[in-house]
Amino acid sequence: AQSVTQLGSHVSVSEGALVLLRCNYSSSVPPYLFWYVQYPNQGLQLLLKYTSAATLVKGINGFEAEFKKSETSFHLTKPSAHMSDAAEYFCAVSPAGFQKLVFGTGTRLLVSP
Amino acid sequence: GAGVSQSPSNKVTEKGKDVELRCDPISGHTALYWYRQSLGQGLEFLIYFQGNSAPDKSGLPSDRFSAERTGGSVSTLTIQRTQQEDSAVYLCASSHGQGNSGANVLTFGAGSRLTVL
Repeated sequence: AQSVTQLGSHVSVSEGALVLLRCNYSSSVPPYLFWYVQYPNQGLQLLLKYTSAATLVKGINGFEAEFKKSETSFHLTKPSAHMSDAAEYFCAVSPAGFQKLVFGTGTRLLVSP
Repeated sequence: GAGVSQSPSNKVTEKGKDVELRCDPISGHTALYWYRQSLGQGLEFLIYFQGNSAPDKSGLPSDRFSAERTGGSVSTLTIQRTQQEDSAVYLCASSHGQGNSGANVLTFGAGSRLTVL
């Protein structure tokens, strides 16, 4: 079975600071990994995905994530936070070749001026 | 359509009543998913349809929940004898079929917010 664990239900950063949102996965087969973002009062949208190509994946709005098999992690980072990054971020896993996505519980990113 | 359409956007019902939530996926997307989003619970998988295959119902929380997908397109999620703990946002998503480069990339609807009094 596949699962993801997101450490920290809330993360607070100052504008301009590094953003680090943690995600660890569990999968019995090679995984596909995803980050989705939900802005206030909006639906979820794909931020980036890992599907066994390059381990460092770049997404929209300056975000990137690195797949580390040895650590079973797929942490999301952004060098410099912007106020518009305030949102809820969800990590998700799917077994490679299949489509059922299992989501984590989400991390709410708060950005202060 | 251009996006995933869900209706109603908001539904308030009394405990014990049945409700139906509708999802119209993106045209051409063969996979359709239902998730439930509750405060502090993340996105809880409910059910997954892929083409003509038998649906994966492993996430349905009880036999009060059921879903169908007619003609490989529109889906209806039905909750019978609603309980207060059913209050949540029900999200529908669709994606391309397996083997497609867009597989696993879900496009979500805006959700149906259900409140059970």
